[in-house]
Amino acid sequence: DVKVTQSSRYLVKRTGEKVFLECVQDMDHENMFWYRQDPGLGLRLIYFSYDVKMKEKGDIPEGYSVSREKKERFSLILESASTNQTSMYLCASRLVGLAGTDTQYFGPGTRLTVL
Amino acid sequence: ELKVEQNPLFLSMQEGKNYTIYCNYSTTSDRLYWYRQDPGKSLESLFVLLSNGAVKQEGRLMASLDTKARLSTLHITAAVHDLSATYFCAVLYSGTYKYIFGTGTRLKVLA
Repeated sequence: DVKVTQSSRYLVKRTGEKVFLECVQDMDHENMFWYRQDPGLGLRLIYFSYDVKMKEKGDIPEGYSVSREKKERFSLILESASTNQTSMYLCASRLVGLAGTDTQYFGPGTRLTVL
Repeated sequence: ELKVEQNPLFLSMQEGKNYTIYCNYSTTSDRLYWYRQDPGKSLESLFVLLSNGAVKQEGRLMASLDTKARLSTLHITAAVHDLSATYFCAVLYSGTYKYIFGTGTRLKVLA
């Protein structure tokens, strides 16, 4: 079974702090993603990485950066946390299967509160 | 800009009844996905629909895709309490790695 783990389930930080969210997958997937989930807005893509050291901005990258130094690990960084970044953060990795099918596997999520 | 709209946003239904969740998207896409999310948990993949007319079924859930109408449906047959969850559809933006998600449909099945 594919496993995607995230470093924390719950996190409370203060405004202005630098915050690191880590995601690890154990299936050698090339593609990894960071989303945030807010009520009534669904999931919105922050950043994705299609390979080691490769990244692209998603729909809401402002205030975030990412790092992918190893294939299995994708980190999301909040350079200076703000209260509007209080949210559920979900990491996913993507498997491309036979016949062009693909599946995203999601981690358990990190609920971040910024005070 | 690709937009994905789901309706209804909330659905409360009796056990044993049938209902359909709709997912509309605004531009051409290669493929459509359905996910389930239980309260406090992460998303679980249900279906991947790759072509026009594609239909997939798993238990009491059946998903279909009409690429001409840019519409996917998730049909629930004879609902049971265990199907209570939030269901999301998502579309892959053609030629990219970007997935665009709908806002989700929160389903509650009443005993």
